[in-house]
Amino acid sequence: NAGVTQTPKFRVLKTGQSMTLLCAQDMNHEYMYWYRQDPGMGLRLIHYSVGEGTTAKGEVPDGYNVSRLKKQNFLLGLESAAPSQTSVYFCASKAGLAGTDTQYFGPGTRLTVL
Amino acid sequence: SQKIEQNSEALNIQEGKTATLTCNYTNYSPAYLQWYRQDPGRGPVFLLLIRENEKEKRKERLKVTFDTTLKQSLFHITASQPADSATYLCAPLNLIFGKGTKLSVKP
Repeated sequence: NAGVTQTPKFRVLKTGQSMTLLCAQDMNHEYMYWYRQDPGMGLRLIHYSVGEGTTAKGEVPDGYNVSRLKKQNFLLGLESAAPSQTSVYFCASKAGLAGTDTQYFGPGTRLTVL
Repeated sequence: SQKIEQNSEALNIQEGKTATLTCNYTNYSPAYLQWYRQDPGRGPVFLLLIRENEKEKRKERLKVTFDTTLKQSLFHITASQPADSATYLCAPLNLIFGKGTKLSVKP
């Protein structure tokens, strides 16, 4: 099992450009999450999905869109990148809604917006 | 709103000593609390979960306590080693994480 993988690992964008971050999991998990992590801010939830075809907003959703067309994939899109979106992005998945379910994180994508 | 505080941004200790990290939460009464470890450049990795009816949980050199009256969890690493150096995150609710405490264990 590869667990949770993220593509790409690094990316540099210019302001106004768009891009999509891909998250894939091979554990048949229902729930998937996108976080951003900034120095001094900790992990903040952007969007999440409770199953194929569903998405919901988290704490900091503005400027991002997501899609979950297949159960194993969760895409995070930036339509018009801004310098404030420079961050490390982590995807996570877990089996169910129970608080006891462990979240499994991907290795992260380091995004710089110039 | 729900608030999670990990009382130290950084903790420096000597090898062999016990490291104690604190997680306080407000405006929330979690039934569970999880602790994660994060190494530089990597995603967080789950370490331990403790339930509200468990006062203490152990795993090898790790010990977690959960005091629902104080709204606090303590995370202990006994006989600490340089390899324990990392950032440790608490998560009283799966979707909300503390900012983490960076632990440095000096040889």
